[in-house]
Amino acid sequence: RKEVEQDPGPFNVPEGATVAFNCTYSNSASQSFFWYRQDCRKEPKLLMSVYSSGNEDGRFTAQLNRASQYISLLIRDSKLSDSATYLCVAPTDSWGKFQFGAGTQVVVTP
Amino acid sequence: DAGVIQSPRHEVTEMGQEVTLRCKPISGHNSLFWYRQTMMRGLELLIYFNNNVPIDDSGMPEDRFSAKMPNASFSTLKIQPSEPRDSAVYFCASTNTQGPFYGYTFGSGTRLTVV
Repeated sequence: RKEVEQDPGPFNVPEGATVAFNCTYSNSASQSFFWYRQDCRKEPKLLMSVYSSGNEDGRFTAQLNRASQYISLLIRDSKLSDSATYLCVAPTDSWGKFQFGAGTQVVVTP
Repeated sequence: DAGVIQSPRHEVTEMGQEVTLRCKPISGHNSLFWYRQTMMRGLELLIYFNNNVPIDDSGMPEDRFSAKMPNASFSTLKIQPSEPRDSAVYFCASTNTQGPFYGYTFGSGTRLTVV
C-alpha cells in the first residue's frame, strides 16, 4: 500500500459548486498534514496545514479523520481559478521527511 | 524574501552529457530537498539535507546522480552521464525544522530535457 493515496480525478466542478476529495495515509503515528496546490507547469505551493481535527481558510476546509486515516479537502463556491492539482502531504517514519500523494485534479467549468 | 531560487529554468542536453542543477534555499531554512516530477511517477524525493548534511539519499535513482550542499545557501544536483529517461522537472524545496513546521517552500523548478 502506498504511504499516501489520492483519487487522481479529474473532478469536474461547475463554477459556484462545492467539491470535496480525500487522501488516505498509512502511517498511523502521523501528526501533521498539508495540502498543496500545483498549477500546470508550476511548482507546488502550500495551501493549508492540518494539525488537529481540521482547519478552515475562507472557502477551503481541511479535515483529519485519524480513526480512518484520511484527510479531506473541501472547496466551497468554486472559482475558475481553483482549477489545479491538489497534492496531499503526510509525514513518513523518517524525521523531517514527508510523502506527497500523486495529486487530485480539479477542473472548474463556467 | 526571494524564495527558493533554482537555475537554470530550462535545460536541454544531449544524452551522455553532464548536467548540473543549482538551488539556493530560503535564508534561515536548515533543510533542503531535491524532488523529481514526471507524469508517470509524480513527485519523487531524491535526497534531502539537514544542516548541510545528507540525511536520506535512498531516492537517488542510481550512481549517475549525485548531490552536494557545501554550505547553507547552496546545493547542486548533478547527473552524469545524462539519459533520456532523466527528462523531468526537478524541484528544490527548503524548510526550517527547528520550531513549528510550516511545510516546504518549492523553487520554480528546472525543466530538464535529455535528447
